[in-house]
Amino acid sequence: DVKVTQSSRYLVKRTGEKVFLECVQDMDHENMFWYRQDPGLGLRLIYFSYDVKMKEKGDIPEGYSVSREKKERFSLILESASTNQTSMYLCASTIRGADGYTFGSGTRLTVV
Amino acid sequence: QKEVEQNSGPLSVPEGAIASLNCTYSDRGSQSFFWYRQYSGKSPELIMFIYSNGDKEDGRFTAQLNKASQYVSLLIRDSQPSDSATYLCAVNRPGGFKTIFGAGTRLFVKA
Repeated sequence: DVKVTQSSRYLVKRTGEKVFLECVQDMDHENMFWYRQDPGLGLRLIYFSYDVKMKEKGDIPEGYSVSREKKERFSLILESASTNQTSMYLCASTIRGADGYTFGSGTRLTVV
Repeated sequence: QKEVEQNSGPLSVPEGAIASLNCTYSDRGSQSFFWYRQYSGKSPELIMFIYSNGDKEDGRFTAQLNKASQYVSLLIRDSQPSDSATYLCAVNRPGGFKTIFGAGTRLFVKA
């Protein structure tokens, strides 16, 4: 089975901090994604990457950036954390988008 | 109009009954459709995908797709308390692999 690992399950950060969320997958998938999930809003796509060093904005990229230096690792960066970025962050990967995603276990980020 | 719409529920069914979950989508060019299950405090897991009009069955689960009506549904037969979860409908935007998710329907199966 594909495994997608997110480095932290819970994080608490202060407003203005730079925050790094890490995601690693072990099945050589080209495509990786970052979503955030909020009650009543569902999952919203922040950024995705279809190859090393390639990235594209999703629907809500403002305040975020990403890095993909190696195929297996996709990092989400909050340049200056704000309270409205408190959320559950989910990383996902797929070999083909038409096959559906495998999700990591999620990182619940609280910005205080 | 949201791209993917689901009734938030909760939908409550007795054990052994059929649970019917519904979803509509707005982009007529969408080609891939998914159902994910998400238990409380856990991440979503893929349970079904469907590409063609009609029904697709996998065990107790049946996905139904009607592209003319832009409608996707999930039927769960012989519902069990362990099926109690939030079910997310998801649709790929045309021409790519960006997946758009509905907000989910909460299902409760009463023992």
